[in-house]
Amino acid sequence: DAKTTQPPSMDCAEGRAANLPCNHSTISGNEYVYWYRQIHSQGPQYIIHGLKNNETNEMASLIITEDRKSSTLILPHATLRDTAVYYCIVSMTTDSWGKLQFGAGTQVVVTP
Amino acid sequence: GAGVSQSPRYKVAKRGQDVALRCDPISGHVSLFWYQQALGQGPEFLTYFQNEAQLDKSGLPSDRFFAERPEGSVSTLKIQRTQQEDSAVYLCASSKRTSGGYTSTDTQYFGPGTRLTVL
Repeated sequence: DAKTTQPPSMDCAEGRAANLPCNHSTISGNEYVYWYRQIHSQGPQYIIHGLKNNETNEMASLIITEDRKSSTLILPHATLRDTAVYYCIVSMTTDSWGKLQFGAGTQVVVTP
Repeated sequence: GAGVSQSPRYKVAKRGQDVALRCDPISGHVSLFWYQQALGQGPEFLTYFQNEAQLDKSGLPSDRFFAERPEGSVSTLKIQRTQQEDSAVYLCASSKRTSGGYTSTDTQYFGPGTRLTVL
């Protein structure tokens, strides 16, 4: 069963912020929200993760709602190289060894 | 530094042939994962190693799939008597994670994958 829901696709203009939504209404208290992306013909690449607080790193920001049922990944200034499939993943529970359960993701296309 | 490498990058097999796919994880990484990615879909978990121990093989689709990591570093995914439905990209990932503890916080680093086509 999918633990996250994402829009299948979205477009973004180069230089603008890209806001990628994700719903995870069944998330439990000890589960993290992870974001990975996959550029065509490459393996997935880690972007960011969080538990309940908002997080920021050199790639992106992660905003998690107070009830933790949804989150938004923000790419502050999208470039053409950010065109990729973006996956929102809720980490599985204690016996999962950290394995990732990918859904279909959001295909993001950044246009000039 | 060197990332996760996989070989071959592309493999074409005739139906019924056996194939072996290799993964070289990042040096010192304890955990190693294999995923299968069908065209147009997200990766799906196959199996997990902690050092040389295969702790989870719940995602292997059939007994034709076998994985090993005998010395706790390089891993091989073997598929016997390949079928057309085995055509996919096989991804390997490694992480520093050392336990199946309460939370999952270790980043997984993925290789470029091996694209297997079964004719």
